[in-house]
Order: sequence, then C-alpha cells, then structure tokens
Amino acid sequence: DSGVTQTPKHLITATGQRVTLRCSPRSGDLSVYWYQQSLDQGLQFLIQYYNGEERAKGNILERFSAQQFPDLHSELNLSSLELGDSALYFCASSDHPVRLNTEAFFGQGTRLTVV
Amino acid sequence: ELKVEQNPLFLSMQEGKNYTIYCNYSTTSDRLYWYRQDPGKSLESLFVLLSNGAVKQEGRLMASLDTKARLSTLHITAAVHDLSATYFCAVPTSGTYKYIFGTGTRLKVLA
Repeated sequence: DSGVTQTPKHLITATGQRVTLRCSPRSGDLSVYWYQQSLDQGLQFLIQYYNGEERAKGNILERFSAQQFPDLHSELNLSSLELGDSALYFCASSDHPVRLNTEAFFGQGTRLTVV
Repeated sequence: ELKVEQNPLFLSMQEGKNYTIYCNYSTTSDRLYWYRQDPGKSLESLFVLLSNGAVKQEGRLMASLDTKARLSTLHITAAVHDLSATYFCAVPTSGTYKYIFGTGTRLKVLA
C-alpha cells in the first residue's frame, strides 16, 4: 500500500457525461500528479499541483480540469466524455519535488470506461 | 521537451537468462526512477538513482545511471517468472519536476 488513495476504483459512464476522480496523497506529501494510462499512449502526464498551486501542465485536454484543496486532496474533473477518454487514471504524490531523494508514490488508479 | 525512450518494448525470455532494459532520455536530469507495473495494477517504485554512476540492486534486478550518456539500464539476472511485468523508467523535468515516463518494457519470463 503506497498510502495514496484514489476513489472510485472503477467508473462506467456514458459519452457526454462528467465525472470527478478523487485522490488523497500520502500523509505529509504536498505534491500531487495526475497521469492517464491508455493502451496506445502509455503513461501521459496531465497535471501537477504543489501545496494547492498548479505547478506543471502536460497534454491535458480543455475538457479536463483539476484542483488541489487546502487539505491537499486533489480532484480531476473530466467533462464531455468521449470514448477515447477510457483509460486508467493514476494519481501520485511526493513531498517537495525538488528534494533530491524524493520519489512519487502511485495510487491504485481509477479505471474509467466511457460507453 | 524531455523525451524518454525505452528499449526493447517487449521482451520474452526464458527463466534463468540475463537481459538488460535500456532507458534513454533527451535532456539533462539529476535523477531517474524505475517502476514496475503488474497488469491492471498500480506502479511500484523499484529504484531511485540520484547521481552519475549510481548503481542499485534489489534481488535479481540491478539499475545503473550514466548521466553523461543520459542512459539508465535495468539488468535482470537469472530471470524468474515472478519478474514478469511492465517496467518503466521515469525522469523528472528540471524546474517543475513533473515525471516523464518511458514507453515501458513488457517483460514476460517463460518457465
């Protein structure tokens, strides 16, 4: 158990709908990362937050948004869902990302299926 | 833009054999990570390599880092079936430290 908690584990929804994925980082970790893993795209970085502020953005679609709350949990919102959004969505957390021996620990993921 | 490439993408090997997975990255980084992923599961941290020449070993896996060549290797010694998984290397970008992952190497160890 990495200490990173993601809910829900599985989500099945229809095209055009909106869903929210939730992530609770490890105790003490300030940085949260979101990744999308699909069969043909590998692990794609979406977005990173540090202590409530957005720090880095990857190829995140405009239909997707995220935020990190004061209690450090994070939510990833996916809207106007398309079939191609079906994937495993991982959250990872780390302490200060600049610290030399820091590392990211991954949650169990949310498997999103859009039908 | 930082690019991370792994090869091979797929590796099927017999138990007891040795093999090496390679990870190349395109820009300077001060560290590199290796992760393991079982099908449909999360990513498990294997190694954190922090400096040029760093070598770490855990069981039948040994990882090394050459920052000058921008190359890391993951060597598998006397493979066993339990090592079957996908292995990813990841490199943090400077400044923001977002982790860019390699394409992954799917390893299958045949009995």
